Amino acid sequence: NAGVTQTPKFRVLKTGQSMTLLCAQDMNHEYMYWYRQDPGMGLRLIHYSVGEGTTAKGEVPDGYNVSRLKKQNFLLGLESAAPSQTSVYFCASSYSRGGEQYFGPGTRLTVT
Amino acid sequence: GESVGLHLPTLSVQEGDNSIINCAYSNSASDYFIWYKQESGKGPQFIIDIRSNMDKRQGQRVTVLLNKTVKHLSLQIAATQPGDSAVYFCAEKMNAGGTSYGKLTFGQGTILTVHP
Repeated sequence: NAGVTQTPKFRVLKTGQSMTLLCAQDMNHEYMYWYRQDPGMGLRLIHYSVGEGTTAKGEVPDGYNVSRLKKQNFLLGLESAAPSQTSVYFCASSYSRGGEQYFGPGTRLTVT
Repeated sequence: GESVGLHLPTLSVQEGDNSIINCAYSNSASDYFIWYKQESGKGPQFIIDIRSNMDKRQGQRVTVLLNKTVKHLSLQIAATQPGDSAVYFCAEKMNAGGTSYGKLTFGQGTILTVHP
């Protein structure tokens, strides 16, 4: 049981490039989340999903898109990366709406 | 807006001492609180949680206290060990009924350093 995994672990992009971050969970959780973590800002929710085929915006959705085509996977896309998107990105999942969230190890993204 | 904050951004203790990490919250509608531990280069890890109908909950070497009167949450770690060195986050969750998905609002974190 790997829990929540994220790929890649590190990435450097140039402004304007695009990329997709992959999150996978093997706990059969319905709910999945993407957060970004910046110094002094805590964790901020980008997008979330309450089940396969559904997505919704969080606190800071601009510049990101997501897809949940399979229950176990939640993809975060950056269509045109900007330096302001330099951050550490965490994916999380939970079994229920009010349940504990399990986090992945994070992806460190730098946009130059 | 509503927020969760921490009184102390850093805390240094000696191995074997007890540690207390504090958190203030402002959302009176929050009914569930979680403490997470985040080690360097890793994702947050669940430590302990407490619901608003309780004022104390104990785990293994950890205790969470909730004071709803002053909207204050604390995490106590007994006999702190070097392996406890990490960033500790509190998070609050508003009542997850209705259309709410159970949004977590995180504090900024306290850095705990344990000296051997």
